[in-house]
Amino acid sequence: RKEVEQDPGPFNVPEGATVAFNCTYSNSASQSFFWYRQDCRKEPKLLMSVYSSGNEDGSFTAQLNRASQYISLLIRDSKLSDSATYLCVVHTTGNQFYFGTGTSLTVIP
Amino acid sequence: GAVVSQHPSWVICKSGTSVKIECRSLDFQATTMFWYRQFPKQSLMLMATSNEGSKATYEQGVEKDKFLINHASLTLSTLTVTSAHPEDSSFYICSAREVSGGYEQYFGPGTRLTVT
Repeated sequence: RKEVEQDPGPFNVPEGATVAFNCTYSNSASQSFFWYRQDCRKEPKLLMSVYSSGNEDGSFTAQLNRASQYISLLIRDSKLSDSATYLCVVHTTGNQFYFGTGTSLTVIP
Repeated sequence: GAVVSQHPSWVICKSGTSVKIECRSLDFQATTMFWYRQFPKQSLMLMATSNEGSKATYEQGVEKDKFLINHASLTLSTLTVTSAHPEDSSFYICSAREVSGGYEQYFGPGTRLTVT
């Protein structure tokens, strides 16, 4: 079983739509969680960390469910510029980082 | 803040030659730097983790004698692809963690290597 699993998509949504991605992780000792955004042929950029209580940044909301071992990313009022691949990253004890394979999002005008 | 640079941004080399890629944290000190490789339409693959002043830890299947990593200072790590072959052509990306920061990684812009 992979350490981190994501639905690769692609997700094609109309502009203004709300879309959610989930990412499951297998190691219950995982400590820190992140969402990164990667545009085509570019490096990943940190979108937001995911905190236990959930956190919001503009139109992005991240949540962590430790009991079910998943993190989620919700994008409200999606914009054309939100089109990208979204990577979840899990940091475990022992200083190991695990990347999901990424979820591709295309926002359509 | 938290800017990471890589040099060169792209390089074309002949088979059998060696290529060195530099990764620098510009405005912070990084105890740990990571080297990744990404093939087209695939996810990032961690190659190795380098800690300043010590030997790098390589992931399974990554040849340490082929991919030489040096992390000589808190702001610089280098990856040297030795005796490059066409199958080494890929997008190489480094990332760095701040000494005093959390567990966020900040990525360099990547180096596109083409071996002919």
